Amino acid sequence: AQKVTQAQTEISVVEKEDVTLDCVYETRDTTYYLFWYKQPPSGELVFLIRRNSFDEQNEISGRYSWNFQKSTSSFNFTITASQVVDSAVYFCALSEGANDMRFGAGTRLTVKP
Amino acid sequence: DAGVIQSPRHEVTEMGQEVTLRCKPISGHNSLFWYRQTMMRGLELLIYFNNNVPIDDSGMPEDRFSAKMPNASFSTLKIQPSEPRDSAVYFCASCTGMVEQFFGPGTRLTVL
Repeated sequence: AQKVTQAQTEISVVEKEDVTLDCVYETRDTTYYLFWYKQPPSGELVFLIRRNSFDEQNEISGRYSWNFQKSTSSFNFTITASQVVDSAVYFCALSEGANDMRFGAGTRLTVKP
Repeated sequence: DAGVIQSPRHEVTEMGQEVTLRCKPISGHNSLFWYRQTMMRGLELLIYFNNNVPIDDSGMPEDRFSAKMPNASFSTLKIQPSEPRDSAVYFCASCTGMVEQFFGPGTRLTVL
């Protein structure tokens, strides 16, 4: 069965620090998709990125970057020069052949001014 | 596009009452998902539909929960009878193909 582990329950940083959120996954499939979602205090779930299992190229989007490593079954998320608006709960998720996306427990990031 | 629409946004009811949550997926999306989020259990997939057909309802907690999708633009999640432990935020999401799911704003349910 697919499984996603976000070992960091809560992280607190000071503004402008870099922070990395860890995500480790388990799957027996060779084809799968990984996702990151952000849930700000307002409660909605905002899609950030999707990666398929055949694309290990890292991605950068502004201050956000993602490191996908199949060798360690990890899909980590780094925020560079964090800002107060980055404070949220971040979820990593895994989807196999079907559309049943399974979420990790989430990491609550607090960025202090 | 209006995004995924859920109603009501907040629902407060008394134990034993029937509760119906509604969802309108994004037009053109052929998969619809119901999730429940609680502090204790995090985000749980309850059920998902593909082309209006329930594919996997293994996450539905018990027979008090039922979900329907009578057409491509509407789905309901019903709890009857409701219990205090059903208090949670219920999210609906939709997608097409193997791409990201887009979530609605959620319905915050409180059962007293």
